[in-house]
Amino acid sequence: EAQVTQNPRYLITVTGKKLTVTCSQNMNHEYMSWYRQDPGLGLRQIYYSMNVEVTDKGDVPEGYKVSRKEKRNFPLILESPSPNQTSLYFCASSPWTGSNQPQHFGDGTRLSIL
Amino acid sequence: GESVGLHLPTLSVQEGDNSIINCAYSNSASDYFIWYKQESGKGPQFIIDIRSNMDKRQGQRVTVLLNKTVKHLSLQIAATQPGDSAVYFCAEKRAGGTSYGKLTFGQGTILTVHP
Repeated sequence: EAQVTQNPRYLITVTGKKLTVTCSQNMNHEYMSWYRQDPGLGLRQIYYSMNVEVTDKGDVPEGYKVSRKEKRNFPLILESPSPNQTSLYFCASSPWTGSNQPQHFGDGTRLSIL
Repeated sequence: GESVGLHLPTLSVQEGDNSIINCAYSNSASDYFIWYKQESGKGPQFIIDIRSNMDKRQGQRVTVLLNKTVKHLSLQIAATQPGDSAVYFCAEKRAGGTSYGKLTFGQGTILTVHP
C-alpha cells in the first residue's frame, strides 16, 4: 500500500530535550515536505526536500532541522524543543516529474512540549 | 468560503443534499490547485485537483470549478453522505519561484452532514 508513515504519532516531552520525528514514504517520491498545523493558522511549511541531499527552508523553519540522506526518509529534528513548537506535524511527499502532482500526507504527529 | 482567522467557516447540510465549499486564492500566478479532505485524527487526503488551464474538472461525486478572473475555487459534492463530514482545504501552488512545489493552504471549511 502506498503510504507516508510518521513516527511517533504522539509525543509529550520537555523543553530542551532533543527529539526526532521520522517520516518514510514507499512511493519513490522525490519531493518531501514537513508542515505544522495550528488552530487558526492552517498548514504551514517548515522544510522541504526536492531530492536526496537537497533541502530548503519553508515558511517557518526556525527551531527545526531536516536531513535527506535517503530518498524514502525525511526526518524532522528539534534540537532544543520549546513550548511554541507544540503542534500537529505532517509529512508529505509527491513525485518530481516537472508536472503538477498532489502531495500525499502522513497521518500526523502530535507533539506537546512542556 | 475560506477566510483567514481563528474561526473556520462551517457548512451544515442534510444527507443527500449537494454541498458547495468555496475558496478564494491569493496569487494570480498560481497554476495548480488541490482540494484536500481532513478527518479527525488523520492527515489531509487528496480529493481532486485542477490546473489553471481548465475551469472545471469532475471526479466521483465531486466537481471542482476554477474562476481565474475572480481567483475563486469551489468544490461541489453531490449527494453528500455522513462520511463526507470533515474539514476541507484548498491549496494553491505557485508557478516557478524559489519554493518549487510548495503548497499554500487555505484555512479550511468544516462540513457537517446530518443523517
